[in-house]
Amino acid sequence: EPEVTQTPSHQVTQMGQEVILRCVPISNHLYFYWYRQILGQKVEFLVSFYNNEISEKSEIFDDQFSVERPDGSNFTLKIRSTKLEDSAMYFCASSVNFGDYGYTFGSGTRLTVV
Amino acid sequence: QQQVKQSPQSLIVQKGGISIINCAYENTAFDYFPWYQQFPGKGPALLIAIRPDVSEKKEGRFTISFNKSAKQFSLHIMDSQPGDSATYFCAARGLSGSARQLTFGSGTQLTVLP
Repeated sequence: EPEVTQTPSHQVTQMGQEVILRCVPISNHLYFYWYRQILGQKVEFLVSFYNNEISEKSEIFDDQFSVERPDGSNFTLKIRSTKLEDSAMYFCASSVNFGDYGYTFGSGTRLTVV
Repeated sequence: QQQVKQSPQSLIVQKGGISIINCAYENTAFDYFPWYQQFPGKGPALLIAIRPDVSEKKEGRFTISFNKSAKQFSLHIMDSQPGDSATYFCAARGLSGSARQLTFGSGTQLTVLP
Protein backbone atom coordinates (compact mmCIF):
# COMPACT_ATOMS: atom_id res chain seq x y z
CA GLU A 1 0.00 0.00 0.00
CA PRO A 2 1.36 3.45 -0.91
CA GLU A 3 2.76 5.45 1.98
CA VAL A 4 3.57 9.02 2.86
CA THR A 5 7.20 9.06 3.95
CA GLN A 6 8.57 11.59 6.43
CA THR A 7 12.16 12.29 7.41
CA PRO A 8 13.71 12.55 9.87
CA SER A 9 11.67 10.60 12.38
CA HIS A 10 13.09 12.65 15.23
CA GLN A 11 14.90 15.97 15.18
CA VAL A 12 16.38 17.88 18.09
CA THR A 13 17.23 21.50 17.52
CA GLN A 14 18.36 24.51 19.50
CA MET A 15 15.88 27.30 20.05
CA GLY A 16 16.23 29.92 17.33
CA GLN A 17 17.56 27.50 14.75
CA GLU A 18 15.90 26.77 11.44
CA VAL A 19 14.56 23.30 10.75
CA ILE A 20 13.26 21.67 7.61
CA LEU A 21 10.95 18.72 7.85
CA ARG A 22 10.67 16.59 4.75
CA CYS A 23 7.84 14.58 3.28
CA VAL A 24 7.39 12.46 0.19
CA PRO A 25 3.66 12.30 -0.55
CA ILE A 26 2.04 9.46 -2.45
CA SER A 27 3.04 9.86 -6.07
CA ASN A 28 -0.35 10.46 -7.69
CA HIS A 29 -1.64 12.71 -4.92
CA LEU A 30 -2.11 16.38 -5.68
CA TYR A 31 -3.05 17.91 -2.32
CA PHE A 32 -0.57 18.08 0.52
CA TYR A 33 -0.99 19.00 4.16
CA TRP A 34 0.91 19.55 7.35
CA TYR A 35 -0.66 18.89 10.73
CA ARG A 36 0.95 18.94 14.13
CA GLN A 37 0.28 17.24 17.44
CA ILE A 38 1.68 18.61 20.65
CA LEU A 39 2.36 15.75 23.05
CA GLY A 40 -0.86 14.44 24.52
CA GLN A 41 -3.03 16.87 22.59
CA LYS A 42 -5.16 16.70 19.47
CA VAL A 43 -3.97 16.86 15.92
CA GLU A 44 -4.15 20.40 14.52
CA PHE A 45 -4.20 21.63 10.94
CA LEU A 46 -1.32 23.84 9.83
CA VAL A 47 -1.47 24.25 6.07
CA SER A 48 -2.71 22.78 2.81
CA PHE A 49 -0.90 23.05 -0.51
CA TYR A 50 -2.03 22.56 -4.06
CA ASN A 51 -0.65 23.49 -7.45
CA ASN A 52 2.49 24.93 -5.90
CA GLU A 53 0.74 27.32 -3.61
CA ILE A 54 -0.84 27.43 -0.19
CA SER A 55 -4.58 26.73 -0.32
CA GLU A 56 -5.37 27.30 3.33
CA LYS A 57 -3.48 27.92 6.53
CA SER A 58 -4.39 28.05 10.17
CA GLU A 59 -3.62 30.68 12.77
CA ILE A 60 -0.72 28.51 13.92
CA PHE A 61 0.97 28.85 10.54
CA ASP A 62 2.54 32.27 11.07
CA ASP A 63 5.45 33.96 9.31
CA GLN A 64 7.91 31.59 10.95
CA PHE A 65 6.51 28.74 8.87
CA SER A 66 6.81 28.11 5.17
CA VAL A 67 6.16 25.21 2.82
CA GLU A 68 7.69 24.28 -0.45
CA ARG A 69 7.58 21.61 -3.09
CA PRO A 70 11.13 21.93 -4.35
CA ASP A 71 10.85 19.11 -6.86
CA GLY A 72 8.31 16.62 -8.13
CA SER A 73 8.41 14.41 -5.08
CA ASN A 74 9.31 16.29 -1.89
CA PHE A 75 7.12 18.55 0.21
CA THR A 76 8.85 20.45 2.99
CA LEU A 77 7.90 22.42 6.07
CA LYS A 78 10.40 25.01 7.24
CA ILE A 79 10.36 26.64 10.63
CA ARG A 80 12.59 29.69 10.44
CA SER A 81 13.43 30.33 14.07
CA THR A 82 12.23 27.58 16.33
CA LYS A 83 10.66 28.21 19.70
CA LEU A 84 10.24 25.83 22.61
CA GLU A 85 6.51 25.67 21.90
CA ASP A 86 7.19 24.35 18.40
CA SER A 87 8.09 21.03 19.99
CA ALA A 88 5.51 18.61 18.61
CA MET A 89 4.91 15.75 16.26
CA TYR A 90 4.53 17.05 12.72
CA PHE A 91 2.49 14.98 10.30
CA CYS A 92 2.48 15.30 6.56
CA ALA A 93 -0.58 14.05 4.66
CA SER A 94 -1.67 13.86 1.06
CA SER A 95 -4.79 13.17 -0.96
CA VAL A 96 -5.60 12.64 -4.61
CA ASN A 97 -7.86 15.64 -4.79
CA PHE A 98 -9.69 17.92 -2.41
CA GLY A 99 -12.85 15.95 -2.71
CA ASP A 100 -10.97 12.84 -1.63
CA TYR A 101 -11.75 12.68 2.05
CA GLY A 102 -9.33 9.88 2.81
CA TYR A 103 -6.11 11.65 3.69
CA THR A 104 -3.08 9.43 4.08
CA PHE A 105 -0.86 10.52 6.93
CA GLY A 106 2.84 9.88 7.31
CA SER A 107 4.38 8.51 10.51
CA GLY A 108 5.47 11.95 11.57
CA THR A 109 8.58 13.81 12.63
CA ARG A 110 9.03 14.41 16.32
CA LEU A 111 10.58 17.86 16.70
CA THR A 112 12.17 18.68 20.02
CA VAL A 113 13.32 22.25 20.55
CA VAL A 114 15.75 22.68 23.42
CA GLN B 1 -17.87 26.53 16.32
CA GLN B 2 -15.00 24.61 14.78
CA GLN B 3 -14.58 22.36 17.81
CA VAL B 4 -15.18 18.66 17.90
CA LYS B 5 -15.61 17.46 21.47
CA GLN B 6 -14.59 13.89 22.23
CA SER B 7 -15.14 11.71 25.27
CA PRO B 8 -13.98 9.86 27.22
CA GLN B 9 -10.33 10.84 27.40
CA SER B 10 -9.38 7.28 28.27
CA LEU B 11 -11.18 3.97 28.22
CA ILE B 12 -10.31 0.57 29.59
CA VAL B 13 -12.25 -2.42 28.29
CA GLN B 14 -11.93 -6.15 28.82
CA LYS B 15 -11.18 -8.32 25.81
CA GLY B 16 -14.41 -9.17 24.06
CA GLY B 17 -16.21 -6.11 25.39
CA ILE B 18 -17.68 -3.17 23.53
CA SER B 19 -15.74 0.08 23.35
CA ILE B 20 -17.78 3.24 22.80
CA ILE B 21 -16.30 6.65 22.05
CA ASN B 22 -18.46 9.72 21.57
CA CYS B 23 -18.03 12.95 19.68
CA ALA B 24 -20.11 16.09 19.28
CA TYR B 25 -19.79 18.98 16.86
CA GLU B 26 -21.34 22.38 16.35
CA ASN B 27 -20.51 23.41 12.81
CA THR B 28 -23.38 22.40 10.52
CA ALA B 29 -21.04 22.85 7.54
CA PHE B 30 -19.31 19.60 8.46
CA ASP B 31 -20.35 16.82 6.13
CA TYR B 32 -17.74 14.14 6.62
CA PHE B 33 -16.94 12.43 9.89
CA PRO B 34 -13.95 10.08 9.96
CA TRP B 35 -12.42 8.16 12.80
CA TYR B 36 -8.67 7.73 12.97
CA GLN B 37 -6.67 5.14 14.85
CA GLN B 38 -3.19 6.06 16.03
CA PHE B 39 -0.59 3.73 17.45
CA PRO B 40 2.40 5.13 19.37
CA GLY B 41 4.98 6.64 17.05
CA LYS B 42 2.70 6.41 14.03
CA GLY B 43 0.50 8.83 12.15
CA PRO B 44 -3.29 8.72 12.32
CA ALA B 45 -4.74 6.04 10.06
CA LEU B 46 -8.26 6.30 8.68
CA LEU B 47 -10.40 3.63 10.31
CA ILE B 48 -13.94 4.31 9.17
CA ALA B 49 -15.93 7.35 8.06
CA ILE B 50 -19.53 8.42 7.60
CA ARG B 51 -21.48 11.07 5.74
CA PRO B 52 -24.54 12.61 7.42
CA ASP B 53 -27.00 11.12 4.97
CA VAL B 54 -26.82 7.78 6.80
CA SER B 55 -27.30 7.03 10.48
CA GLU B 56 -24.98 4.08 10.76
CA LYS B 57 -22.03 2.55 9.00
CA LYS B 58 -20.47 -0.77 9.86
CA GLU B 59 -17.14 -2.19 8.78
CA GLY B 60 -16.25 -5.43 10.48
CA ARG B 61 -16.14 -4.88 14.23
CA PHE B 62 -16.26 -1.09 13.85
CA THR B 63 -19.53 0.84 13.65
CA ILE B 64 -20.19 4.56 13.45
CA SER B 65 -23.54 5.79 14.70
CA PHE B 66 -24.53 9.25 13.56
CA ASN B 67 -27.25 11.50 14.97
CA LYS B 68 -27.57 14.53 12.73
CA SER B 69 -30.19 16.34 14.80
CA ALA B 70 -28.12 16.02 17.95
CA LYS B 71 -24.88 16.71 16.07
CA GLN B 72 -23.28 13.68 17.65
CA PHE B 73 -21.52 10.62 16.36
CA SER B 74 -19.91 7.67 18.03
CA LEU B 75 -17.57 4.79 17.36
CA HIS B 76 -18.44 1.34 18.61
CA ILE B 77 -15.80 -1.39 18.64
CA MET B 78 -17.41 -4.77 19.09
CA ASP B 79 -15.50 -7.74 20.51
CA SER B 80 -12.62 -5.45 21.47
CA GLN B 81 -9.17 -7.01 21.21
CA PRO B 82 -5.83 -6.12 22.82
CA GLY B 83 -4.60 -5.19 19.34
CA ASP B 84 -7.24 -2.43 19.28
CA SER B 85 -5.37 -0.65 22.07
CA ALA B 86 -4.53 2.71 20.53
CA THR B 87 -5.59 6.33 20.54
CA TYR B 88 -8.74 7.06 18.59
CA PHE B 89 -9.56 10.46 17.16
CA CYS B 90 -12.84 11.57 15.72
CA ALA B 91 -12.68 14.32 13.14
CA ALA B 92 -14.91 16.37 10.91
CA ARG B 93 -14.64 18.46 7.80
CA GLY B 94 -16.77 20.23 5.28
CA LEU B 95 -16.31 21.41 1.73
CA SER B 96 -16.36 25.14 2.16
CA GLY B 97 -14.91 27.95 4.16
CA SER B 98 -13.05 27.33 7.38
CA ALA B 99 -14.54 23.85 7.65
CA ARG B 100 -12.52 22.61 4.68
CA GLN B 101 -9.76 21.12 6.78
CA LEU B 102 -9.97 18.24 9.21
CA THR B 103 -10.86 19.30 12.73
CA PHE B 104 -9.87 16.63 15.21
CA GLY B 105 -11.28 15.72 18.57
CA SER B 106 -8.96 15.52 21.56
CA GLY B 107 -8.50 11.76 21.34
CA THR B 108 -9.40 8.71 23.43
CA GLN B 109 -6.75 6.36 24.67
CA LEU B 110 -8.24 2.87 24.52
CA THR B 111 -6.73 0.01 26.48
CA VAL B 112 -8.13 -3.46 25.93
CA LEU B 113 -7.13 -5.83 28.70
CA PRO B 114 -6.34 -9.43 27.75
